[in-house]
Amino acid sequence: DQQVKQNSPSLSVQEGRISILNCDYTNSMFDYFLWYKKYPAEGPTFLISISSIKDKNEDGRFTVFLNKSAKHLSLHIVPSQPGDSAVYFCAAIKTSYDKVIFGPGTSLSVIP
Amino acid sequence: NAGVTQTPKFRVLKTGQSMTLLCAQDMNHEYMYWYRQDPGMGLRLIHYSVGEGTTAKGEVPDGYNVSRLKKQNFLLGLESAAPSQTSVYFCASSRQRSSYNSPLHFGNGTRLTVT
Repeated sequence: DQQVKQNSPSLSVQEGRISILNCDYTNSMFDYFLWYKKYPAEGPTFLISISSIKDKNEDGRFTVFLNKSAKHLSLHIVPSQPGDSAVYFCAAIKTSYDKVIFGPGTSLSVIP
Repeated sequence: NAGVTQTPKFRVLKTGQSMTLLCAQDMNHEYMYWYRQDPGMGLRLIHYSVGEGTTAKGEVPDGYNVSRLKKQNFLLGLESAAPSQTSVYFCASSRQRSSYNSPLHFGNGTRLTVT
């Protein structure tokens, strides 16, 4: 059973508009959540993270929102750019574990 | 700095053959990981290491073995390859136990096909 879910395999957005990528999790004990971005033929790269004690973290065009009661987080990209076209993985960490749990990913296409 | 380097980039094996995937990192990271990526499944942890000489099982360890004889290297072995092991394999490292300020650094992957 997947502990981290990304129910939209793909998303298409016009350049300049907002991209919203969603992630749900089942384990209320996760301490941190992260987003990784992956281009074809490359490894994932870290994008942004949020602690479970916060509800928002912002870094430039990227903002992550956390709703603990709903066990839901989302990544907002504003404005979206063609270079943002990639697969985005949501990931979760419980600090007493040595493991990062990844979701299946959402492929974002930003159309010029 | 090269970061995390994986070799080879591509490999085709016949069922039953063996091979070793090499991962090298030059960041002096303690933790190293092997993941596999399959469509619709995301990244699943195979094995990991919390320091030189240590290894531990992840979510999907069956059919794989690992070794961490040197801090900078983490080897993934397939003793008898099966078609179910066709996948893209990613190595990653982190400075310490993964957290919001110690993210994973990934290599560019090895695409393995088992026929």
